[in-house]
Amino acid sequence: DQQVKQNSPSLSVQEGRISILNCDYTNSMFDYFLWYKKYPAEGPTFLISISSIKDKNEDGRFTVFLNKSAKHLSLHIVPSQPGDSAVYFCAASASGTYKYIFGTGTRLKVLA
Amino acid sequence: DADVTQTPRNRITKTGKRIMLECSQTKGHDRMYWYRQDPGLGLRLIYYSFDVKDINKGEISDGYSVSRQAQAKFSLSLESAIPNQTALYFCATSDAGTISDTQYFGPGTRLTVL
Repeated sequence: DQQVKQNSPSLSVQEGRISILNCDYTNSMFDYFLWYKKYPAEGPTFLISISSIKDKNEDGRFTVFLNKSAKHLSLHIVPSQPGDSAVYFCAASASGTYKYIFGTGTRLKVLA
Repeated sequence: DADVTQTPRNRITKTGKRIMLECSQTKGHDRMYWYRQDPGLGLRLIYYSFDVKDINKGEISDGYSVSRQAQAKFSLSLESAIPNQTALYFCATSDAGTISDTQYFGPGTRLTVL
C-alpha cells in the first residue's frame, strides 16, 4: 500500500509560469516532509522541507504548503525555469523513525 | 569531491552471481541508508544503519544483506542476483545530530542482472 502518492507522473509548464507538484499521504503519524529534485545520472538532492507544525515554508522560488487535514502537500515553483526540469520526489517521515517513505516522483519539464 | 560516493556506477551481472555495491561518505554522518529506484515505484528503503553496530531492515530487504564496516562505509550485497533486482541503487546518509534529518544521496549505481 503506497503511503505517499504522487499521482501526476509528469507535468509540463511554460518558462516563467508557476509549477505545482502535488503529494498525498495516508499515514497520520507522518510529521516531517521533504522534497527532493533528481537530475538524470545523479542522486536526489534536497530541495525544501516542512514540519507538521507549519503549513507553509518558503525558500526563494520554492514554497511547500502542507494541509494536514487533507493529508496533502504541494510544491510551488515560481517562476519556473528550464533548469528546474527534473524528477521531483516527496518524502514523509514520522518522528523518531529517522527513515522516509518516498513517493513515486513527478517529472517536471519546463518549456523555454 | 563528492561527499557520498558509490562504486561501481554501473554493473552488469548474471543471474546467480554474488555482487557487492559499496558506499563511502566523508560527511561524518552516523546514519546510512540503501534504496532502490524502479520506474513507477519511486525510492524504496532496503536497509539502514544508525551506527556501526546497528543494522535494520527496510521495506524490501529480502535477497539483500549489508555490512557497516566503519562509520564511513556501508556495503550492500546481493548473495545470488536475480533479474528483478535490476534497478538503480542509491546510498544516502543523514546526521544524527540534527532534528531535520535531511538525507544526502550518492550518485547511484545502475545494476543490470541478466
